[in-house]
Amino acid sequence: SQTIHQWPATLVQPVGSPLSLECTVEGTSNPNLYWYRQAAGRGLQLLFYSVGIGQISSEVPQNLSASRPQDRQFILSSKKLLLSDSGFYLCAWSVGTDGSYEQYFGPGTRLTVT
Amino acid sequence: GNSVTQMEGPVTLSEEAFLTINCTYTATGYPSLFWYVQYPGEGLQLLLKATKADDKGSNKGFEATYRKETTSFHLEKGSVQVSDSAVYFCALNVPGNTPLVFGKGTRLSVIA
Repeated sequence: SQTIHQWPATLVQPVGSPLSLECTVEGTSNPNLYWYRQAAGRGLQLLFYSVGIGQISSEVPQNLSASRPQDRQFILSSKKLLLSDSGFYLCAWSVGTDGSYEQYFGPGTRLTVT
Repeated sequence: GNSVTQMEGPVTLSEEAFLTINCTYTATGYPSLFWYVQYPGEGLQLLLKATKADDKGSNKGFEATYRKETTSFHLEKGSVQVSDSAVYFCALNVPGNTPLVFGKGTRLSVIA
């Protein structure tokens, strides 16, 4: 069966510090991978998605970046965090089944920028 | 463009009450439709799905029917429990390899 891991689970970082969040998927090959952010009490904001190694689509211009160094690894980074980067970060994966690309989410990382 | 509209929350119900959360969509082509649930502090879980018109998705007592004529996919449950308290997201996937389009979510609180 497939599993998705995110770490760390929680993170408190000062403004201006760098960020690296990691997501890995097990039990599947060549998945689509996604990063979402969820501000407190708000909906989901798609940040990045990737359909293959080195292929990253950015949905929202901001001070975040994403990389996919391996087939099942997706990394979210920032060089300098802003207060507005606080939120709940979710990674997800999908593989097309009969043309339906339902997504499966990780447990999330709670980021607080102080 | 493609979009999903959910009823505004929060929704507060007493235990054993009937639940309906409305979801309508706008999409090109024939999308697949989904309901996800997010419990406090957790990621989203796929609750149910339907891939073509008149399909009914069901899981854990929840169900939703893909209505092409009204472009709707309303979530229902006959008798809610306190443990159903969560945020529910409706989503669609248009044919092809593209990200899901999510609604804004509806918070449900069930009180004993």
